[in-house]
Amino acid sequence: AQSVTQLGSHVSVSEGALVLLRCNYSSSVPPYLFWYVQYPNQGLQLLLKYTSAATLVKGINGFEAEFKKSETSFHLTKPSAHMSDAAEYFCAVNRGTGGFKTIFGAGTRLFVKA
Amino acid sequence: ETGVTQSPTHLIKTRGQQVTLRCSSQSGHNTVSWYQQALGQGPQFIFQYYREEENGRGNFPPRFSGLQFPNYSSELNVNALELDDSALYLCASSSYRQGGEQYFGPGTRLTVT
Repeated sequence: AQSVTQLGSHVSVSEGALVLLRCNYSSSVPPYLFWYVQYPNQGLQLLLKYTSAATLVKGINGFEAEFKKSETSFHLTKPSAHMSDAAEYFCAVNRGTGGFKTIFGAGTRLFVKA
Repeated sequence: ETGVTQSPTHLIKTRGQQVTLRCSSQSGHNTVSWYQQALGQGPQFIFQYYREEENGRGNFPPRFSGLQFPNYSSELNVNALELDDSALYLCASSSYRQGGEQYFGPGTRLTVT
């Protein structure tokens, strides 16, 4: 069975500071891992994905994530937060096949202070 | 390239009624998945449709059903609505043989009173 745990339901950073959102996964098979962002009253937008190629994955809007198999982690980072980054972020895992039975974490709300 | 669209945007229904939600998949995608997102939670997988057949479902009762059409658009039907069905319903389209990434529509907000 697969599962995802996002550490911290809320994270607050100052504008210009490092953003670090934590995600740990559990999977009995090589996983496909994703980060999505959700703005209020909108659907989910794909930020980046890991699909067994490079362990450091670069995504949109300056975000990146590193797959660490030994730690079963896939943390999301951005060197410098911008006010527009304030949103809900979801880590997700599946086995490919069009996203069949994708498991999402509970989400982390990112607040950015001026 | 046309993205994923969903209709309606918002819907209010009474307990016991039936509802149909619609989704048009992204051009070039042959797979549609539906998710329920309750307030303050992550999306929960309902089911996936591939080549017009249900490919498997999550932990949802049979009163949640769906269809996929030859143009890969899809419907989600929910019968005998319950108050707990109030949620944002998200449709995601994807290509079955590619790496699991999905593209989401804006969702339909269903309120059951």
